[in-house]
Order: sequence, then structure tokens, then C-alpha cells
Amino acid sequence: TQLLEQSPQFLSIQEGENLTVYCNSSSVFSSLQWYRQEPGEGPVLLVTVVTGGEVKKLKRLTFQFGDARKDSSLHITAAQPGDTGLYLCAGGASGTYKYIFGTGTRLKVLA
Amino acid sequence: EAGVVQSPRYKIIEKKQPVAFWCNPISGHNTLYWYLQNLGQGPELLIRYENEEAVDDSQLPKDRFSAERLKGVDSTLKIQPAELGDSAVYLCASSLDGSPSDTQYFGPGTRLTVL
Repeated sequence: TQLLEQSPQFLSIQEGENLTVYCNSSSVFSSLQWYRQEPGEGPVLLVTVVTGGEVKKLKRLTFQFGDARKDSSLHITAAQPGDTGLYLCAGGASGTYKYIFGTGTRLKVLA
Repeated sequence: EAGVVQSPRYKIIEKKQPVAFWCNPISGHNTLYWYLQNLGQGPELLIRYENEEAVDDSQLPKDRFSAERLKGVDSTLKIQPAELGDSAVYLCASSLDGSPSDTQYFGPGTRLTVL
């Protein structure tokens, strides 16, 4: 069974702090995506990474895909209350069209 | 452009009653997904359609869940009879071609409460 484990599960920080969320698997993924979900809404795609070692930046968010394409990280610099939400990694395992979501990281940024 | 539309947004039913959820995907999107999401967790795929064909329903509890996408556009997910453990948010998503790197667009979900 392919699993995407995220850590930490919960994170509560003060505005202005930095944080990193991790997404790990024992399987190789052809690509990984990161979503943010706010209460009462569906997940919204933030980024897709497809190449091992790839780094993408989206304003204060930095995404990295591991060299072996088994893990990914999301780093937020100077977190703001608007970053609050549930962060989800998701991806399709190599050689299949199976698409799975990670276990989720709930982030709360306090003003 | 309209996003993925789901209805109803909320549903409260007694256990053993039937319930149905409706989803209208983004126009032109061939792939439609139904997910189940428990509070604070990641969505879990129930069924994936390519046009009107269900190409992955391995996680759909077929004894009580059914789905259809008759004309390859909108879709209905049904539970009959509902159980207490079915309380969750049911999300619908659509994408252009269903590849793992394709962007999935999600609707707001239907929150089901089974009493």
C-alpha cells in the first residue's frame, strides 16, 4: 500500500516565524503536488513538482522534491495568518495512475 | 469560468436512510473524482471516471455506495443505506485528462452527518 506520511500533523506558530512541512513515502512518485485547504472549501493546488531535486518558489513558499522522488517538503518563510489551513501533499505513484493524498498538516498562524 | 459545483452543501440524515450527492465538473474536463474526507485528514479516493467509464472504483464500498456519470458530464454518488461511519465530507473534483500531474479542481464538498 502506498502511503504519503506528513509531519508534523499539527503546527501552531506565531506570525513571522518560519516552518517546514514534510511529506514522505517509501514509494517513488512520478510527481507530487501540494494543496492548501481552508474550512468549508475543497483543496486548492499550490504547486506541482515532477523532477527529482526540483525546487519551486511561490512567493514565501518553497517546495522541494527529493532526489529519489520519494519525499517532498514545503517551507514557509515569515508565516502570516492567511497561511492558516490544512496542507496536503498528493501524488501518483510511478507506473500507475493511482493518486493518493498525504495525511495532512494543519497549520495555524497566530497574529 | 464556473468551478466544480456540488449539491447539497450539507445533509443530515438518520442511519439506514438513503442519500445522494450531485457534482457538475468544469466544462471540458474528462476526468471526475469522488473523494471522502474525514476531519483533518487527506481525501481518500472513492471512484474515478474517465468520461462515463469508471476506471478506478477499487475503494468504493460497493455494498452500499454507487455512482454514475451517464453522459460523461455530471455525476451522482449514492449511499444506501447510510451508516453512522459514513459521516464525512464528500468532495468532487475534475481534471482535464486524469494524469497524476494534472491539476484537480475541487468543489466545496458535501458535509454529511448521519445520526
